[in-house]
Amino acid sequence: GENVEQHPSTLSVQEGDSAVIKCTYSDSASNYFPWYKQELGKGPQLIIDIRSNVGEKKDQRIAVTLNKTAKHFSLHITETQPEDSAVYFCAARSGGGADGLTFGKGTHLIIQP
Amino acid sequence: GAVVSQHPSRVICKSGTSVKIECRSLDFQATTMFWYRQFPKQSLMLMATSNEGSKATYEQGVEKDKFLINHASLTLSTLTVTSAHPEDSSFYICSARDRRSVETQYFGPGTRLLVL
Repeated sequence: GENVEQHPSTLSVQEGDSAVIKCTYSDSASNYFPWYKQELGKGPQLIIDIRSNVGEKKDQRIAVTLNKTAKHFSLHITETQPEDSAVYFCAARSGGGADGLTFGKGTHLIIQP
Repeated sequence: GAVVSQHPSRVICKSGTSVKIECRSLDFQATTMFWYRQFPKQSLMLMATSNEGSKATYEQGVEKDKFLINHASLTLSTLTVTSAHPEDSSFYICSARDRRSVETQYFGPGTRLLVL
């Protein structure tokens, strides 16, 4: 099955700086890669996703890049704000339509004021 | 749009009892819903995939007789934890995929289960 590795487990950045979280996956058949933000005691919230036929996608301060050859994808948050503090999870979905997501272990992002 | 609700948000029960958790897609139809389990400070682990009108598909190591899943309509799936034990205490989260989308999953707010 799919295996997703995520780094770092904790990331502390100054407000206004950029944050980068990296993930690798093992199944070359995986074709969909979402990123979720989870605040304490709440369910994950989809913030951005990318499909395997695209190398990069951007939505305001958030961007995701995908390298299919190397099987890794990254989340980039620019101009970080205190409300960006949360746990971020990357995930991958193998081909097949009905499969659930395999999640990374999560990154606790701390924005220092 | 794309709102998923769960009920209850928290539940405390005695060991040996059964607990039912509901997952609803409020503004879209979901042919497929997923159930995940999350322990404190850990990642989400897929438990089962629920397809409307058919039996759920369970991940390896998940007891189907303990975690009963029913997906009776395009907007509702239920997870029943039968004969709950303290080790079943966890955060249970459902997600739903819009029937118009191949991949995108929207998550519910989760249900905190504590078994005494």
